[in-house]
Amino acid sequence: EPEVTQTPSHQVTQMGQEVILRCVPISNHLYFYWYRQILGQKVEFLVSFYNNEISEKSEIFDDQFSVERPDGSNFTLKIRSTKLEDSAMYFCASSEQDSTEAFFGQGTRLTVV
Amino acid sequence: AQSVTQPDIHITVSEGASLELRCNYSYGATPYLFWYVQSPGQGLQLLLKYFSGDTLVQGIKGFEAEFKRSQSSFNLRKPSVHWSDAAEYFCAVLSGGSYIPTFGRGTSLIVHP
Repeated sequence: EPEVTQTPSHQVTQMGQEVILRCVPISNHLYFYWYRQILGQKVEFLVSFYNNEISEKSEIFDDQFSVERPDGSNFTLKIRSTKLEDSAMYFCASSEQDSTEAFFGQGTRLTVV
Repeated sequence: AQSVTQPDIHITVSEGASLELRCNYSYGATPYLFWYVQSPGQGLQLLLKYFSGDTLVQGIKGFEAEFKRSQSSFNLRKPSVHWSDAAEYFCAVLSGGSYIPTFGRGTSLIVHP
C-alpha cells in the first residue's frame, strides 16, 4: 500500500541551527502539507503546496520556514534558525486532490536544545 | 472558519468495555469529517471518514462514527475495546472553501486490562 514516508524519525538540533525535514509523498498525489504537533497540543496546519508553489500557509509559517519540492519525489520543510519552541512532531501529508483524504507520514520528532 | 472540539483530553476504559469519543465541529454546511488514530511512535492513520450519504460510517479496526447534523457532532464508537486500541484519536474537519483539514486537539485513550 502506498504511504508517505518521512526522514529522519528523530532529529535533535541546537538552537539557531538550520534543519531540513524530508518527506516523500505518495507518487500520484498533487497536494502536499506540513503540520506540526507540539507536545500535548493539537495538530496545527503549517503550509500547503500545489503546483510547485505555496497555496496556503498559517500564521505559524513565518519567514523562518520554507518548503521546497526539489525533485519529482521529495517535499522538504526547512527551518532556517531553530528556536526552542520549534520542538514538535512534524507531519507531512499528501492528497490526490483537494477536498479528499490526506495521507500522513509517521512524523519527524524535532527537539531543539 | 471551521473548528473542531474534542472535549475529552483523556478517556480511560477497561478492555472489553464500549467506547465513545466525542467530536463537535463548527461550520454552517455539512463538512467532510474524519477520525484519525495515532499509535505511539506512529503517524496518523485514517480510521474512517464521512462525506455524504449514510450518517453511520464504518471504519477499520471495528470503529464506527455517526454524523449528527442537529448536534454538529461526529462521535467515534467501538462496542468492545482492545488493549491495542490505546492511542491518541483525532477528529478532523474539511469544509467547503478549504481543502486543509482542521484537527481537534486529540483524545488520549487509555485501556486498562
